Amino acid sequence: EIVLTQSPATLSVSPGDRATLSCRASQSIRSDLAWYQQIPGQPPRLLIYGASTRATGIPARFSGSGSGTEFTLTISSLQSEDCAVYYCQQYYNWPPYTFGQGTKVDIK
Amino acid sequence: QVQLVQSGADMRKPGASVKVSCKTSGYTFTDRYIHWVRQAPGQGLQWMGWINPNSGDTRSAQNFEGRVTMTRDTAINTAYLELTRLKSDDTAVYYCVVARFSFDFWGQGTLVTVSS
Repeated sequence: EIVLTQSPATLSVSPGDRATLSCRASQSIRSDLAWYQQIPGQPPRLLIYGASTRATGIPARFSGSGSGTEFTLTISSLQSEDCAVYYCQQYYNWPPYTFGQGTKVDIK
Repeated sequence: QVQLVQSGADMRKPGASVKVSCKTSGYTFTDRYIHWVRQAPGQGLQWMGWINPNSGDTRSAQNFEGRVTMTRDTAINTAYLELTRLKSDDTAVYYCVVARFSFDFWGQGTLVTVSS
């Protein structure tokens, strides 16, 4: 099973500042990685797939990068509506599909 | 637009079974796999399995083998998840998800509470 480790667990960022979230895989997953945003009380929403491709309707301030075992989600200018938990997920080697444990982003 | 509408919250006693439905619209039902993912209160996301709506083939996570059954009704574009021999730690929100590779579209979730 591929283990995804996200860091940090919590990230406090001032409005307008950059937020950088990390996801590390226990073995290479090429670029078969997605990022999801989950606002409390809502289902997750796909942000990024293929490590770097924004899903339909996702604002340009969200970007993804990386391949192999190291991945990054960047929010270039944090807005209040971006407060959420962010999960990475691999779909390279399954079963099972696995998720990271999440990074909570809040406003400083 | 793709929509997934799940059945309402349910409460069951330990040892019982629960069946959650997921009615889809806005795309061709047989074109995309449907996955089931659950989330215990305050916890992360756990993949449970998938069904190929075209063939009916299924694959479940090892943790749930023998307890989970995934089915579909192509006449009404609806997928189902049944979980048996419920335990208190099965209390969670259960999501259906339409996927190609990444998990593209999510249902609103169904809270299943297992309590005596």
